[in-house]
Amino acid sequence: NAGVTQTPKFQVLKTGQSMTLQCAQDMNHNSMYWYRQDPGMGLRLIYYSASEGTTDKGEVPNGYNVSRLNKREFSLRLESAAPSQTSVYFCANQGQPGFGYTFGSGTRLTVV
Amino acid sequence: AQTVTQSQPEMSVQEAETVTLSCTYDTSENNYYLFWYKQPPSRQMILVIRQEAYKQQNATENRFSVNFQKAAKSFSLKISDSQLGDTAMYFCAFMGYGGSQGNLIFGKGTKLSVKP
Repeated sequence: NAGVTQTPKFQVLKTGQSMTLQCAQDMNHNSMYWYRQDPGMGLRLIYYSASEGTTDKGEVPNGYNVSRLNKREFSLRLESAAPSQTSVYFCANQGQPGFGYTFGSGTRLTVV
Repeated sequence: AQTVTQSQPEMSVQEAETVTLSCTYDTSENNYYLFWYKQPPSRQMILVIRQEAYKQQNATENRFSVNFQKAAKSFSLKISDSQLGDTAMYFCAFMGYGGSQGNLIFGKGTKLSVKP
């Protein structure tokens, strides 16, 4: 099925550990996004990529890095995880502007 | 910067009744898009309905409709004949035109419970 695939679905990290959240699309869309969702805060944009090879900061980029090496994949890296990064992370893409995003199923990350 | 406000953190409705979720936004742009997303307990984000600001006609998708008041910067969602499967978090979202303005900005959400 066409869509956005995120891995892993769940992850527990210890403070200071690093990890990469993977996101892949099979929709051939240029734009991809990483959001985090926290209770009572809605979804906030971490980073986005308007096209292959380009990335830009969103509202809450501190503590994260991203990589868009090809059109299909957009990864999010936590270099040194902190408890404040405990959240649900969503990857999304967008085709024609204005028609909304397609979201992955999310990653629930807990940092202890 | 654009902001989206959902003033009702939680709501409940009886099955088969109608409920309206409120959303207001702040922008200086004239052209933009508005969306409602549904997030059931499965966590999946599902697009419910979209509205283009230059269209005066309110969008409708089956039991879901919006009341778009551009001058008041208001974009409410009406759910008719509520069903148990409508139980979810609902997010209102704004998107401007082009560049970083073309990113989705979300409200904090309204948790809707449909009671049998």
